[in-house]
Amino acid sequence: SQKIEQNSEALNIQEGKTATLTCNYTNYSPAYLQWYRQDPGRGPVFLLLIRENEKEKRKERLKVTFDTTLKQSLFHITASQPADSATYLCALGSGGSYIPTFGRGTSLIVHP
Amino acid sequence: DTAVSQTPKYLVTQMGNDKSIKCEQNLGHDTMYWYKQDSKKFLKIMFSYNNKELIINETVPNRFSPKSPDKAHLNLHINSLELGDSAVYFCASSQARLAGAYNEQFFGPGTRLTVL
Repeated sequence: SQKIEQNSEALNIQEGKTATLTCNYTNYSPAYLQWYRQDPGRGPVFLLLIRENEKEKRKERLKVTFDTTLKQSLFHITASQPADSATYLCALGSGGSYIPTFGRGTSLIVHP
Repeated sequence: DTAVSQTPKYLVTQMGNDKSIKCEQNLGHDTMYWYKQDSKKFLKIMFSYNNKELIINETVPNRFSPKSPDKAHLNLHINSLELGDSAVYFCASSQARLAGAYNEQFFGPGTRLTVL
């Protein structure tokens, strides 16, 4: 069966360090992968999209990599700040369906 | 201006009741969605709807029905509420449905439904 796996345990890091979150998938052939941020009591907010033929994407302090051989995406936040504390969700979309499927997310806590 | 709005924010009701959640988007998008986020934080698609097609997740009970008076609105009606329906429900929208399109989702703030 298809699975999207994100660490269920929270990631705790110190301010200024780079946070790295992982999204692994099985039995998918994604055309693209998205990352969202969700704050408590709010809806997810889109951050970045990376297509299957792209290896890396950057936006300000954010970087996403996509390795279709390893079936993995890494999401990096450099120079992390307490305001980056949130849950980060990855979502995969296949070419045959326009609706992305979401992972359960990983909570990031950045300590001052 | 709020892009995707939902009402109410909180909904507490008794088992067996019928309730509706309203959703409106002012982004001019053609496709709207309803998602359910359970206590384990999984965000699962329930419905996808544009003016031509309704796609229903086969796991959604038929007590749930989407109703769209126009392109900017997609309401969720729930009949005979059950305890297991307690969750946060998110409305979302995206640009026109295209095969192979990348469909950034714009989410509403969510409605926390509690069934007693």
